[in-house]
Amino acid sequence: GQNIDQPTEMTATEGAIVQINCTYQTSGFNGLFWYQQHAGEAPTFLSYNVLDGLEEKGRFSSFLSRSKGYSYLLLKELQMKDSASYLCAVRDQDYKLSFGAGTTVTVRA
Amino acid sequence: NAGVTQTPKFRILKIGQSMTLQCTQDMNHNYMYWYRQDPGMGLKLIYYSVGAGITDKGEVPNGYNVSRSTTEDFPLRLELAAPSQTSVYFCASSPREYEKLFFGSGTQLSVL
Repeated sequence: GQNIDQPTEMTATEGAIVQINCTYQTSGFNGLFWYQQHAGEAPTFLSYNVLDGLEEKGRFSSFLSRSKGYSYLLLKELQMKDSASYLCAVRDQDYKLSFGAGTTVTVRA
Repeated sequence: NAGVTQTPKFRILKIGQSMTLQCTQDMNHNYMYWYRQDPGMGLKLIYYSVGAGITDKGEVPNGYNVSRSTTEDFPLRLELAAPSQTSVYFCASSPREYEKLFFGSGTQLSVL
């Protein structure tokens, strides 16, 4: 089966930077996704990486290293509204998608 | 734009009861999915569909059934509700297989 690991919880201060790591072991690789999920709401798409390197989208960036089976999501200039769960999801060689359990980020004033 | 619409938002069932979770999307996506989300666990795929008339099992299909008679609708049926089916259910759609998923707002189901 697929194995996707990410920390359960992280806490950071408003205005700071937080890095959420995701490691994966899957049958082949066809892309990695990050989703944001506010409490009681649906997940929403944040980013997609299929090649090694950094993808930047405003305050959010996502990095991928396929050789290490590793990705991170970087949240800069944290705002209170960034308090949410962040889900890492990996698409394998058969194009099946597996989700990690999610990382709950709490932003404190 | 409505996107993916799920109903109901909340439901309490007694053991052995049946119900259908409704899901409809207006984006003309071929691919639709049903997931369940339990505390501390990743989203688990129940069933998916690659187009009208075509459905297939995901990781955790036992106790559920689906149908896809139109591109827009993908209802999930629970025939004999069990406490293990207490969960939050999400319907999703995508334009291509397992690309960026668009999720509905979820259904919180309790089986008592």
